[in-house]
Amino acid sequence: GAGVSQTPSNKVTEKGKYVELRCDPISGHTALYWYRQSLGQGPEFLIYFQGTGAADDSGLPNDRFFAVRPEGSVSTLKIQRTERGDSAVYLCASSVSGTGIYEQYFGPGTRLTVT
Amino acid sequence: AQSVTQLGSHVSVSEGALVLLRCNYSSSVPPYLFWYVQYPNQGLQLLLKYTTGATLVKGINGFEAEFKKSETSFHLTKPSAHMSDAAEYFCAVSSTGGGNKLTFGTGTQLKVEL
Repeated sequence: GAGVSQTPSNKVTEKGKYVELRCDPISGHTALYWYRQSLGQGPEFLIYFQGTGAADDSGLPNDRFFAVRPEGSVSTLKIQRTERGDSAVYLCASSVSGTGIYEQYFGPGTRLTVT
Repeated sequence: AQSVTQLGSHVSVSEGALVLLRCNYSSSVPPYLFWYVQYPNQGLQLLLKYTTGATLVKGINGFEAEFKKSETSFHLTKPSAHMSDAAEYFCAVSSTGGGNKLTFGTGTQLKVEL
């Protein structure tokens, strides 16, 4: 079956612009996670959705970052007034549920470059 | 708070040699431990996980890891390296009650030489 997909695969934007990154999870997965992977680092947790609600957004670095999942499926990560430090690979993962230990399935990521 | 330390950002082995990738964790609650592999331009793939029970965990592609609570370690091993094992490997920790969000180490790039 289809895995987690992310669009676009690459995004180049100018400093100060607004960007949206999209994640399509595996069908039926209720939990969805966003991580950010900077060069030479491991992925860092940003936000976790259980269904439509953000159950944990403690990893969002500041109020320029926001994510939604209005229908409990597709999620969009939104970054306002982008900064060069936002350049990274943004990873999305989904799992059957956030309660209990279920495997997280990762998408290929969106590489964001802020010039 | 939880954290993971992976010793050695780059490891090089000969084909057929033992692979040993080191991972130490810090957690104030019983941890769940994971190893993920990342091939170029691909998403992270789960190799194996420890939750409870048997401390020696076997995963895909011949990898295994042993949870040692006394050493706070979860090292990844494979008896005989293959060229196809060349990739980046990440150790991660999570715990119950946190939605299973993962805390990753900085990764180890494995190179396999002929």
